[in-house]
Amino acid sequence: AQTVTQSQPEMSVQEAETVTLSCTYDTSESDYYLFWYKQPPSRQMILVIRQEAYKQQNATENRFSVNFQKAAKSFSLKISDSQLGDAAMYFCAFLTQGGSEKLVFGKGTKLTVNP
Amino acid sequence: DTGVSQNPRHKITKRGQNVTFRCDPISEHNRLYWYRQTLGQGPEFLTYFQNEAQLEKSRLLSDRFSAERPKGSFSTLEIQRTEQGDSAMYLCASSAWAKVFTDTQYFGPGTRLTVL
Repeated sequence: AQTVTQSQPEMSVQEAETVTLSCTYDTSESDYYLFWYKQPPSRQMILVIRQEAYKQQNATENRFSVNFQKAAKSFSLKISDSQLGDAAMYFCAFLTQGGSEKLVFGKGTKLTVNP
Repeated sequence: DTGVSQNPRHKITKRGQNVTFRCDPISEHNRLYWYRQTLGQGPEFLTYFQNEAQLEKSRLLSDRFSAERPKGSFSTLEIQRTEQGDSAMYLCASSAWAKVFTDTQYFGPGTRLTVL
């Protein structure tokens, strides 16, 4: 069974600074996808970024980028120029291609952005 | 495209009562997922549908839980004889699945259940 580990329950960053959230996963599969989702307080979960395992290039979405290390089974999220609106719970999630393609989530990292 | 919607947003019930939640996926999304999220945890998979067929159920889904997706459109999740341990956020997600492409799952706002 796949597992996802987020070792940082909480992180904080100053506005305009950069922060990196860690995620490791365990799987024997070769074809899979990795996601970072953001869940603001009392609001719905939204996709931040997605990475296909077969792609060597790290995904980037505006101020959000990932460092995908397939051999190390590591998938960290870097947020540049942090904004107050980035404050949320961030969940790392794993999805195996084929079959049900259900998401397996980590426990999340609570990000606080200080003005 | 109005996104995934869920109703009700909040439900408070007494132990032993039955509750039903509804999820309306993004139109034309053929896959619909239910997850449960307890405080301080990430969401956990409960079940999913491809069109109207329920194809997988988690061991978390006890006999008191039943889900349907008639006509492959909206879905309902019913919990019978609720227990305090059922208190959680119930999340619905949908995706446009195809054999050669894995779509992103888009989540609804969730239904927060409190069992007294």
